[in-house]
Amino acid sequence: EPEVTQTPSHQVTQMGQEVILRCVPISNHLYFYWYRQILGQKVEFLVSFYNNEISEKSEIFDDQFSVERPDGSNFTLKIRSTKLEDSAMYFCASRGSSVYGYTFGSGTRLTVV
Amino acid sequence: QKEVEQDPGPLSVPEGAIVSLNCTYSNSAFQYFMWYRQYSRKGPELLMYTYSSGNKEDGRFTAQVDKSSKYISLFIRDSQPSDSATYLCAMTRGSTLGRLYFGRGTQLTVWP
Repeated sequence: EPEVTQTPSHQVTQMGQEVILRCVPISNHLYFYWYRQILGQKVEFLVSFYNNEISEKSEIFDDQFSVERPDGSNFTLKIRSTKLEDSAMYFCASRGSSVYGYTFGSGTRLTVV
Repeated sequence: QKEVEQDPGPLSVPEGAIVSLNCTYSNSAFQYFMWYRQYSRKGPELLMYTYSSGNKEDGRFTAQVDKSSKYISLFIRDSQPSDSATYLCAMTRGSTLGRLYFGRGTQLTVWP
């Protein structure tokens, strides 16, 4: 069964450093997303990406965040200057035309120290 | 305003019990409702979905939506230890963009 692949599975970074989280969505999917889950809290929407541009972003997704789909397969989330409160599990997801067709990756656990 | 509310539990039941998981929501624009299952350190996996109000059954699982009360439920019959996981409700307005709004998740343990 097709899956969404995320790397790395765990990243530790110092406060103020830049991090790039990587995702390979399912190849024929059209919509791409990043969500995050702070320990013990809800899964929260960050951003959606469609037709090579951001289609929606939440209030969390401020100027410190950016997304790219540099080629036909990868989808990245960059955090320019990490803060302690950015520590969370970050999930990439993709889907086709159905709103039910979300597939989530296994996540990247980001720890900011 | 909290969009989706879900009791986080934990919920612990014996094998064979009927489990009831619930969420309430505030936004009447939500049209599509989903239940995801999440194992520790894994991404959510879609378990059930329904559109608007009504019931849907799939094996031991039944999903119910009551839009008039803004209340959704997931029932698990004959629960098994393998059902032990965190169950997340999620919903969306159904625009093509499909942003999901999640509940906090209910942690379920089914003991043998």
